[in-house]
Amino acid sequence: TQLLEQSPQFLSIQEGENLTVYCNSSSVFSSLQWYRQEPGEGPVLLVTVVTGGEVKKLKRLTFQFGDARKDSSLHITAAQPGDTGLYLCAGARDKLIFGTGTRLQVFP
Amino acid sequence: DAEITQSPRHKITETGRQVTLACHQTWNHNNMFWYRQDLGHGLRLIHYSYGVHDTNKGEVSDGYSVSRSNTEDLPLTLESAASSQTSVYFCASNDRGFSTEQFFGPGTRLTVL
Repeated sequence: TQLLEQSPQFLSIQEGENLTVYCNSSSVFSSLQWYRQEPGEGPVLLVTVVTGGEVKKLKRLTFQFGDARKDSSLHITAAQPGDTGLYLCAGARDKLIFGTGTRLQVFP
Repeated sequence: DAEITQSPRHKITETGRQVTLACHQTWNHNNMFWYRQDLGHGLRLIHYSYGVHDTNKGEVSDGYSVSRSNTEDLPLTLESAASSQTSVYFCASNDRGFSTEQFFGPGTRLTVL
């Protein structure tokens, strides 16, 4: 049973466009992490959100944790080719539950 | 610099063979994890360890085993490899449980023919 659903699964956009990736669940998490993974490498943590309604910004990336701590979103402003990769959300309960991933391709 | 390494990076084996994937970390982390990554499933937890001589089953532990004889290493063994175990395997570690950042190795791509 997949507790964390990410959408969209694939996203192909031009440089300069904005995009939002969603991470949804019916379960409550104590915190939620976002990772980015590049080909041939392991995931690397981008951010952890802990409080319901929390918003964190990392340069052009904005992360939000839902008020009920069941969902999260990642918004990228003015995407660049360097943003290309697989984005994974992961919710913490008694263990870390990973989402299905969103593969982003940004073309110059 | 501290790091986490996995070996081999690529492995091809035959059905029924025993295979061991190595994971070594120099972070001195107590917690170590093994995941498999498959298209459409994300990362799924196989086994994890909170310290020397401690091992626990994860979501997809059938057909896999681990042992922790020291802080640095958590080898993953496939007792009798099956084609369904073809996947990319990632090892990770941290020092404060599941809810904090996990540091991942580069992965091992395993193909079972």
